[in-house]
Amino acid sequence: NAGVTQTPKFRVLKTGQSMTLLCAQDMNHEYMYWYRQDPGMGLRLIHYSVGEGTTAKGEVPDGYNVSRLKKQNFLLGLESAAPSQTSVYFCASSDSNYGYTFGSGTRLTVV
Amino acid sequence: GESVGLHLPTLSVQEGDNSIINCAYSNSASDYFIWYKQESGKGPQFIIDIRSNMDKRQGQRVTVLLNKTVKHLSLQIAATQPGDSAVYFCAENLYGNKLVFGAGTILRVKS
Repeated sequence: NAGVTQTPKFRVLKTGQSMTLLCAQDMNHEYMYWYRQDPGMGLRLIHYSVGEGTTAKGEVPDGYNVSRLKKQNFLLGLESAAPSQTSVYFCASSDSNYGYTFGSGTRLTVV
Repeated sequence: GESVGLHLPTLSVQEGDNSIINCAYSNSASDYFIWYKQESGKGPQFIIDIRSNMDKRQGQRVTVLLNKTVKHLSLQIAATQPGDSAVYFCAENLYGNKLVFGAGTILRVKS
């Protein structure tokens, strides 16, 4: 039972490049989330999903897209990376009754 | 307590002492609260939660207190150990199973 797995763990992008961050969970959770964490700040919700095939915007969705084609996977895409998207990205999943389980994060640097 | 910005509040305690970390939450309609611990380079880890119909909940060495009148949450750690050194976040669930996180408090345990 791996919990929540994020890939990759580290990535450096050039401005304008695109990439996809993958989140996989093996707990059969309905809900999945993408957060970003910047120095000295709490986690801010980018997008989330309440079930397979559904997605919704969070607090800071601009510049990101997501897809939830399978219940266990939640993908976060950056279409044209900007330096302001340099951050640590965390995926989490939950069922309706308990707190979130987080992945170990992806550290993204955009130069 | 919590703050927003680049400089997180820091609590320094001596090993063996009790720690109290405070958090002010934003919405009186929040019905569920969680404390998370985040160690360097890792994702947030669930510590303890409390629902709004309670004012106290105890776990192993940790206690969460909820004061809805002043919208205040606290985490008490008994007999603080070096392994407790981390950033601690409170989070509130507004609705729809979406958590909003505070900026965090750094706990440093001195041996």
